[in-house]
Amino acid sequence: DTGVSQDPRHKITKRGQNVTFRCDPISEHNRLYWYRQTLGQGPEFLTYFQNEAQLEKSRLLSDRFSAERPKGSFSTLEIQRTEQGDSAMYLCASSLGSASTDTQYFGPGTRLTVL
Amino acid sequence: QKEVEQNSGPLSVPEGAIASLNCTYSDRGSQSFFWYRQYSGKSPELIMSIYSNGDKEDGRFTAQLNKASQYVSLLIRDSQPSDSATYLCAVNIGYGNKLVFGAGTILRVKS
Repeated sequence: DTGVSQDPRHKITKRGQNVTFRCDPISEHNRLYWYRQTLGQGPEFLTYFQNEAQLEKSRLLSDRFSAERPKGSFSTLEIQRTEQGDSAMYLCASSLGSASTDTQYFGPGTRLTVL
Repeated sequence: QKEVEQNSGPLSVPEGAIASLNCTYSDRGSQSFFWYRQYSGKSPELIMSIYSNGDKEDGRFTAQLNKASQYVSLLIRDSQPSDSATYLCAVNIGYGNKLVFGAGTILRVKS
């Protein structure tokens, strides 16, 4: 257990529905990252926050995806009008600061299945 | 060319042998390199980080970095069946320190 928690751990939804995932980082960590992982691939970067500011979004993050980190604590990732191609493991990671040597610690992930 | 490349394997080694996992990357400006272990259905777990050319040892694990060749490797000595997992190479790229991962190498240690 790294201290990063995610909820829910599993989500099954029907195509077209909206889903929201939550991530609680390690308490003193300023940076929070979201990644997506599909079977047989490594995690792919989606977006990251420095405190409450969202500083970068990947081209993978279509306009159906939105992420927030109010008050610089927990973060939510919402997917609107889900598609079957959204089925994946959604991983949250946090790190202490902005140094390139900072280690990112991953939560257990949320596995999304879109039927 | 992918930013981070790994041989997908599977790499099979007998128990007690040395497992050698390799990774190449394309961004010459990369400064930080990480190896994560991922068991099936679980999230990545940090094994090693390395930032300078040369070797870094931690228990049975040794990470090796050669920035001139854009190459990083992980050696696992005295491999155990519990080491069977997918090993992900990750490179820190860009201002935001986002990690770019390889697709991972599947390691199987046979007892």
